[in-house]
Amino acid sequence: GENVEQHPSTLSVQEGDSAVIKCTYSDSASNYFPWYKQELGKGPQLIIDIRSNVGEKKDQRIAVTLNKTAKHFSLHITETQPEDSAVYFCAARINTGGFKTIFGAGTRLFVKA
Amino acid sequence: DAGITQSPRHKVTETGTPVTLRCHQTENHRYMYWYRQDPGHGLRLIHYSYGVKDTDKGEVSDGYSVSRSKTEDFLLTLESATSSQTSVYFCAISGTSYEQYFGPGTRLTVT
Repeated sequence: GENVEQHPSTLSVQEGDSAVIKCTYSDSASNYFPWYKQELGKGPQLIIDIRSNVGEKKDQRIAVTLNKTAKHFSLHITETQPEDSAVYFCAARINTGGFKTIFGAGTRLFVKA
Repeated sequence: DAGITQSPRHKVTETGTPVTLRCHQTENHRYMYWYRQDPGHGLRLIHYSYGVKDTDKGEVSDGYSVSRSKTEDFLLTLESATSSQTSVYFCAISGTSYEQYFGPGTRLTVT
C-alpha cells in the first residue's frame, strides 16, 4: 500500500545550525507534499507545502525540496532557534482512491541553546 | 488558528462502551477528517467526509463509524471501545482536498 518513510526519527542540533529532515513516498501519483510542526499537547500545524509541479519552495528560514524522479522530498530549516524544537511530520497526498494524505512517522527536533 | 474545536478534550472510558467524539468547524470548509495519532505511527486516517452525508473510509477504519449531518459537525463513534483504540484523535478540515488544518485533539483512554 501507500507509504511515506521519514528520517531521522530524532535530530539534535545546536542553535544557529541547519536541520534537514528527509522523506520518501511510494505512490508515484502523489501530487502534494505538506510539512507539519507539532508542539507538545497541540495539533499539527501546517508550516510549508509543495506541489508536484514545483521543485523547491522557501518561506523565510524554512524550505522544502522535491525530487519527483527519486520520490524524495526534504525540509530544510536554517538558523535554528530553540522555538523550532518540536515534532515535524511530512506527508504525501495520494491521487488514487479518494482524498487521502499519508503521513510519515515524525521527526523529533531538539535545538540546543 | 483555524476555527476548529474538538470535544471532549479528554475522556476515560471502559472497554465495551460506546464513545462519540465531536469536531466542530466555523470555516464552512467542505472536507473534514478524523485521524488517530500513536507513537511511531504518525497520523493515520480513520474516515473523512467530502460533504454533508458524504463519507469514506481511511486506512484504519475498522471499529469506527462517522456521521456528518451538517457542514460544521463531524462525529466519530466507537461503537464498542477497545483498549487498542486508546489514542489521541485529531480532526482536520480543508477547503480544498489539499491543505489540512488540525484541531487541538482528544485524548481517549480505554481501560
